[in-house]
Amino acid sequence: DAKTTQPTSMDCAEGRAANLPCNHSTISGNEYVYWYRQIHSQGPQYIIHGLKNNETNEMASLIITEDRKSSTLILPHATLRDTAVYYCIVRVGGGGFKTIFGAGTRLFVKA
Amino acid sequence: GAVVSQHPSRVICKSGTSVKIECRSLDFQATTMFWYRQFPKQSLMLMATSNEGSKATYEQGVEKDKFLINHASLTLSTLTVTSAHPEDSSFYICSASYGGGTAETQYFGPGTRLLVL
Repeated sequence: DAKTTQPTSMDCAEGRAANLPCNHSTISGNEYVYWYRQIHSQGPQYIIHGLKNNETNEMASLIITEDRKSSTLILPHATLRDTAVYYCIVRVGGGGFKTIFGAGTRLFVKA
Repeated sequence: GAVVSQHPSRVICKSGTSVKIECRSLDFQATTMFWYRQFPKQSLMLMATSNEGSKATYEQGVEKDKFLINHASLTLSTLTVTSAHPEDSSFYICSASYGGGTAETQYFGPGTRLLVL
C-alpha cells in the first residue's frame, strides 16, 4: 500500500471549513483514497473514499488532484464534535485488502 | 446500516487468564474481518486478517498462539488473548468489510479496552 503524509495537527474555528491535506505521491492506479476519523476512545469512523473524481457525502467532501498525488478532506462547517484524529489511507479497493493506519492528523475544533 | 459491534466494551482480568473478545457485523455479512490493537497515544496496529472458515493471517511480530482468532460465521469473529499479561493491556478494535463493489469499505467496531492486572 502507498504511504501517506499528513500534518501532525491542525486547528479550526467552529463553524468554519476544515481542510485536511494528504500527500500520496506513490499511489498506484488501482488504489483508492479512504478517510477515517477516530474520536477519543472510540473505533474509527468511515468518512468518505474516492478513486479519481471528487466525492461528497453528508459528512464531507473529498478533493483529489488530477495527478492523484494528493487529496484534501473538507469538513464544510466544523463543530466541536469534529475534534478527532483523521486518517488518510491509500489502498486497493476490495474487502480483503488490509487497511494500514499512519499517524493521522489531530484536528482541534475551537469555539 | 453497516454496524459492527464488539463485546465486551471493557474487561479487567488477572495476569495468566484468557480473555475472549467478540466482533459482530450486525446488518451485513462480512467474509473478511480484521483485528487491530492500539496503545495510548499511538495509531492502530493491524494484528491479523480473519477470513470466514479459514485460518487467520497474522502480521509479522504477532504471536498466533497467544492471540487466537476464530471466524466461524459471516457475522462473527472472536479474538482470544491467552495467558494475558499486563503488557497485553490495550484497546482492541475489529473491522469488517461491507459492500459488493470494487471499493469495499471497512467498518470498525467501538473497541474493547483490556486491562490486565
